Amino acid sequence: AQKVTQAQTEISVVEKEDVTLDCVYETRDTTYYLFWYKQPPSGELVFLIRRNSFDEQNEISGRYSWNFQKSTSSFNFTITASQVVDSAVYFCALSEARDYKLSFGAGTTVTVRA
Amino acid sequence: DTGVSQDPRHKITKRGQNVTFRCDPISEHNRLYWYRQTLGQGPEFLTYFQNEAQLEKSRLLSDRFSAERPKGSFSTLEIQRTEQGDSAMYLCASVNSLRNEQYFGPGTRLTVT
Repeated sequence: AQKVTQAQTEISVVEKEDVTLDCVYETRDTTYYLFWYKQPPSGELVFLIRRNSFDEQNEISGRYSWNFQKSTSSFNFTITASQVVDSAVYFCALSEARDYKLSFGAGTTVTVRA
Repeated sequence: DTGVSQDPRHKITKRGQNVTFRCDPISEHNRLYWYRQTLGQGPEFLTYFQNEAQLEKSRLLSDRFSAERPKGSFSTLEIQRTEQGDSAMYLCASVNSLRNEQYFGPGTRLTVT
């Protein structure tokens, strides 16, 4: 069975601070995919990134960066120089190659104060 | 806008009534997934289709729930004899199985009174 744990329930920061969201996963498969989604107050899930299990390269996209470490089964997400618009719930998710269904963590609520 | 649409966006119904939701995926995506999200939780898988075939149903999907995807295009999710515990956001995801790109619709928020 697959499982995703986001230990941080809520994080509150002041604008321009960096924020790191932790994600730890469990799976028995050797081929799997990891995702991060953003859910703003409007409710829609916004796709941020997908990583497959064979690609451990870190990725940077603007103010967002991701650190994937198979050795610790972690896929952490950092927002650099946070902005008020980054306030949202962020979900980490895992899918296995055979069916692609997503298992989500419980989410981390990020609040960025001006 | 992800290109995935859901209708209606909000539905308020009385306990015991039937409701039906619709999802229109991205046209070239062959897989379609339904998830349910309750307040303060991450989405949970309900069922998925590859083209018109329903390949898996979660234990969460009681016999009051039924889903279809006729002709492998749009999908409907019906809940019969709604209960207050069915109140949730119902999300649809459109998936390109060659790349495992998963895009969600805006969701249908169901409130059962």
